[in-house]
Amino acid sequence: DTGVSQDPRHKITKRGQNVTFRCDPISEHNRLYWYRQTLGQGPEFLTYFQNEAQLEKSRLLSDRFSAERPKGSFSTLEIQRTEQGDSAMYLCASSLSPWDRRYYEQYFGPGTRLTVT
Amino acid sequence: KNQVEQSPQSLIILEGKNCTLQCNYTVSPFSNLRWYKQDTGRGPVSLTIMTFSENTKSNGRYTATLDADTKQSSLHITASQLSDSASYICVVSEKKSSGDKLTFGTGTRLAVRP
Repeated sequence: DTGVSQDPRHKITKRGQNVTFRCDPISEHNRLYWYRQTLGQGPEFLTYFQNEAQLEKSRLLSDRFSAERPKGSFSTLEIQRTEQGDSAMYLCASSLSPWDRRYYEQYFGPGTRLTVT
Repeated sequence: KNQVEQSPQSLIILEGKNCTLQCNYTVSPFSNLRWYKQDTGRGPVSLTIMTFSENTKSNGRYTATLDADTKQSSLHITASQLSDSASYICVVSEKKSSGDKLTFGTGTRLAVRP
């Protein structure tokens, strides 16, 4: 499968615990994005990377959230001291760089559904 | 504030019927508009991307229109199938020097009944 993959697909955790999600983008894609989607809503932007550099972070990304892409390939999103309001689907997407004429297309992974009890 | 509004919120149609979903946006400066299909519990999948100069674009039974003057788009589904049951999300891209920034609508949830 050459698409975007995410792991785990589902995560149930107790309030106060830390969780970490992983995203593996399409191999030739330089850009990687994280989104959060709550029930009945569209995805909301969290952050994105150009290779290993984190270029933009949304105000939604509180201090408890941290994302990394250390080698410019896979990325991790960690949530510390989880709260019930963190329950959502966390989507990862990847794309080529803006200077590539195929840039417009963002390919989404299947998402990680987080439930905080 | 950039916004994307979709209507209706939900829609139920019978298999074989046509339907049209609407999208209004206030994103500026405009780069492109995309329609995504999202099955329950899955990530969105792109149906079509339209730039400023494109008025109509088709992808099989899906036809998207764009009126950049009135900032409106529609997605028409012809001869619906049970597999069309999903959420359809309109996404408008804001042109920025670092690349496009996406604003997502809340989606239209479509249910196709036999």
